[in-house]
Amino acid sequence: EAQVTQNPRYLITVTGKKLTVTCSQNMNHEYMSWYRQDPGLGLRQIYYSMNVEVTDKGDVPEGYKVSRKEKRNFPLILESPSPNQTSLYFCASSFGRGANYGYTFGSGTRLTVV
Amino acid sequence: GESVGLHLPTLSVQEGDNSIINCAYSNSASDYFIWYKQESGKGPQFIIDIRSNMDKRQGQRVTVLLNKTVKHLSLQIAATQPGDSAVYFCAENGNAGNMLTFGGGTRLMVKP
Repeated sequence: EAQVTQNPRYLITVTGKKLTVTCSQNMNHEYMSWYRQDPGLGLRQIYYSMNVEVTDKGDVPEGYKVSRKEKRNFPLILESPSPNQTSLYFCASSFGRGANYGYTFGSGTRLTVV
Repeated sequence: GESVGLHLPTLSVQEGDNSIINCAYSNSASDYFIWYKQESGKGPQFIIDIRSNMDKRQGQRVTVLLNKTVKHLSLQIAATQPGDSAVYFCAENGNAGNMLTFGGGTRLMVKP
């Protein structure tokens, strides 16, 4: 089944403790992206990647890192999480240049930073 | 399930009626638009898309209308069913090619 898989689904952590949310897609998509979703603010893009070893900032990149060493994986890294990063996170992938073909989203990761 | 928005506009319809969800987009340069459906506890799912060289596109029970003059997009759902209850988002590409910008969403509630 073609899908985007995120792990974990739920995570509670403490301020300052580094964490990684994994994302993997099995559709051979070139484009991958991370969004966060907050009440009243909708979906906002954190980082995206056009291809292996190519990453760019989205609208809200502060406090996040990403890497794209392989085509299928696009992990989101929070080096020192803070409570304002408590949110619902979605990974997405797309064929080609992303915004001209639509995205396939993962099921989401609910992160709580205390 | 996950809450995707505490203060979303809400549309409440009777089962079997038609639903119309509206979206005003911001960038006149956008040439690709998508409607997504997000059910509680799930990620957004693609419903239908339309490019700017069209003003109407139909799928199964869904129709998207695009009015570029007033930068307005609508999603029509025929014979709305309880399974259609979800939050619906429109998205535009801003003609940048690299990212989609999402609207705030509308919650559709279907009354049996």
